[in-house]
Amino acid sequence: DSGVTQTPKHLITATGQRVTLRCSPRSGDLSVYWYQQSLDQGLQFLIQYYNGEERAKGNILERFSAQQFPDLHSELNLSSLELGDSALYFCASSVVGFGDTQYFGPGTRLTVL
Amino acid sequence: GQQVMQIPQYQHVQEGEDFTTYCNSSTTLSNIQWYKQRPGGHPVFLIQLVKSGEVKKQKRLTFQFGEAKKNSSLHITATQTTDVGTYFCAVRGGSQGNLIFGKGTKLSVKP
Repeated sequence: DSGVTQTPKHLITATGQRVTLRCSPRSGDLSVYWYQQSLDQGLQFLIQYYNGEERAKGNILERFSAQQFPDLHSELNLSSLELGDSALYFCASSVVGFGDTQYFGPGTRLTVL
Repeated sequence: GQQVMQIPQYQHVQEGEDFTTYCNSSTTLSNIQWYKQRPGGHPVFLIQLVKSGEVKKQKRLTFQFGEAKKNSSLHITATQTTDVGTYFCAVRGGSQGNLIFGKGTKLSVKP
């Protein structure tokens, strides 16, 4: 158990819909990262937050947005969903976020029908 | 931006055979991390290498960092079915020094 929690575990929705994925980092970690992993693909970095502020952006679509709240939990919002958005979405956290070790949550499996 | 090439993409071995995956960068790295993702699981941190020429061992796993700090390898001796999974290397990159992951090497082990 990494100490990072993600909800929900599974999500099935239809094209055009909007969903919110939730992540709680390890106690004491200030940085949260979001990754997308499609079937048999690598980890695509989406975005990083540090202590409530956006720090780094990866290949995140404009339809996707994220935020980190004062209690450090984070949410990833995916809107106007397309079939191709079906994937595993991982949240990870680290102490400070400058390339330090990342601890991954169990992931949310999103299926868009 | 920083990129890291990881090879091979897939490796199928017979149980008991050795396995090696490589990570290569065109630029000098400050450090490199290795992660393992079991099938159906999430990536789990294995180790971090920092020094030039560094070699670290974890039971049957041997991690090496090249002398020029541009490449690294993970070697598994006498693979077991529990070694199945995808092995990722990760390096610091990007404008904020966040981790950049390699595409991973997927290892399958035939009993």
